[in-house]
Amino acid sequence: AQSVAQPEDQVNVAEGNPLTVKCTYSVSGNPYLFWYVQYPNRGLQFLLKYITGDNLVKGSYGFEAEFNKSQTSFHLKKPSALVSDSALYFCAVRDKAKGGSYIPTFGRGTSLIVHP
Amino acid sequence: ETGVTQSPTHLIKTRGQQVTLRCSSQSGHNTVSWYQQALGQGPQFIFQYYREEENGRGNFPPRFSGLQFPNYSSELNVNALELDDSALYLCASSLAGRETGELFFGEGSRLTVL
Repeated sequence: AQSVAQPEDQVNVAEGNPLTVKCTYSVSGNPYLFWYVQYPNRGLQFLLKYITGDNLVKGSYGFEAEFNKSQTSFHLKKPSALVSDSALYFCAVRDKAKGGSYIPTFGRGTSLIVHP
Repeated sequence: ETGVTQSPTHLIKTRGQQVTLRCSSQSGHNTVSWYQQALGQGPQFIFQYYREEENGRGNFPPRFSGLQFPNYSSELNVNALELDDSALYLCASSLAGRETGELFFGEGSRLTVL
């Protein structure tokens, strides 16, 4: 069965500093990996995805993520954090389930707090 | 382009009651999936509908059921509500056959069961 782990409940970073939000995964086949962001009392918004190809993926709002197959990781990064980046971040993986449909599995989420 | 809309945004029910939540998918999207997000947790997949049929289900009991209509909108029904059903229920739309595509989420329906 597929799974996603986000080992940090909370990440604190000062504005202007680089940030990393960690994610590791486990799937039986090729992973389809995603990052989503959730602001308070809102739904999830897509940030970026890895399907195949270049291991460094660039997404919305200056975020990027690095796919590492040997470490089964897909960490989210940004070179310079903004206070407005403060939100809940979810890593997700989609894998083929019984019946052929692709079921997404989300991590527990990491709360990113960017201090002014 | 019309985004995913959900209704109602908030509702309060008591144990044993039934609830229906509604979702309109993003224009052009033919697949709808539903998620339960408990406080402090990630979204948990409930089920997915394509062409008015359920084509994927997570670990939720049969009292969680759904419908998809010809216009691709969808309903989530929960019978015999329990206290643990209190959560944010999210609907997401996507295109069938696009397993590599992202999900587009609504803002959710927050259900409180007393």
